[in-house]
Amino acid sequence: GNSVTQMEGPVTLSEEAFLTINCTYTATGYPSLFWYVQYPGEGLQLLLKATKADDKGSNKGFEATYRKETTSFHLEKGSVQVSDSAVYFCALSAWEGSQGNLIFGKGTKLSVKP
Amino acid sequence: EPEVTQTPSHQVTQMGQEVILRCVPISNHLYFYWYRQILGQKVEFLVSFYNNEISEKSEIFDDQFSVERPDGSNFTLKIRSTKLEDSAMYFCASSAPGQGVYEQYFGPGTRLTVT
Repeated sequence: GNSVTQMEGPVTLSEEAFLTINCTYTATGYPSLFWYVQYPGEGLQLLLKATKADDKGSNKGFEATYRKETTSFHLEKGSVQVSDSAVYFCALSAWEGSQGNLIFGKGTKLSVKP
Repeated sequence: EPEVTQTPSHQVTQMGQEVILRCVPISNHLYFYWYRQILGQKVEFLVSFYNNEISEKSEIFDDQFSVERPDGSNFTLKIRSTKLEDSAMYFCASSAPGQGVYEQYFGPGTRLTVT
C-alpha cells in the first residue's frame, strides 16, 4: 500500500541554520507529493507541492524536489527562522483509486532557537 | 482569501454520546474530506465526499461515523456513540478540480475530548 516515512523529530536548530527533513514514500503509480506545516495551535497549511518527477516545489524559502529514482521528497531551507518552528508533514496523494486522499507521514517537529 | 471553517473549536462529550462536527468548505469546492489526528500521532484519512455521496472511506470510518452535506454550504461529521479513543483533532478539508489536482485546503480543526 501507499505510505510515507519521515525522519523522526524533534529537530532543534539555531536561527540561520540549514534545515533538511527527510521524506521517502512508497506508492503505486505516480503520486503527487506535498509538505504541510502545522503551527502551534493551528490547522494544516499547504507549504509546497510537486506533481511529477523532478518537479521542485518551493515556498517561503523552503524547497523540495520530487525524486522518483530514490522515492524521496526531502524538505530543505537554507536559513531557518524562529518563526519556522512548527510540525512539518510530508504527504502523498495517489493518482489511482484513492480519489486524492492524502496519506501523511508522522510529522517532524522543528524548534528554532534564537 | 477564502478558507475552510470548522465549529466548534473544542467539544467535550461523555462516552456514548453523539457529536456532530461542522465544517464550511470553500464555496466553489466540490470535494470534501475529514481527517483526524490523535494527539502526537499522524494525520489519518477518514472519508472523502463528492457529488453528495461518499467517495472513499478508511477502516477507521466504521458504522459509528457518518457524513452529510445538509445544505449548500455545510459538511458535517457525526459520531453516533463516542468512545474514549475518538478523542482527537478532526480536520475538514476541501478541494476543487482544476486548481491543482488534489490540493486540499484544511480547516483549523475541532478538538474532540471524550470523557
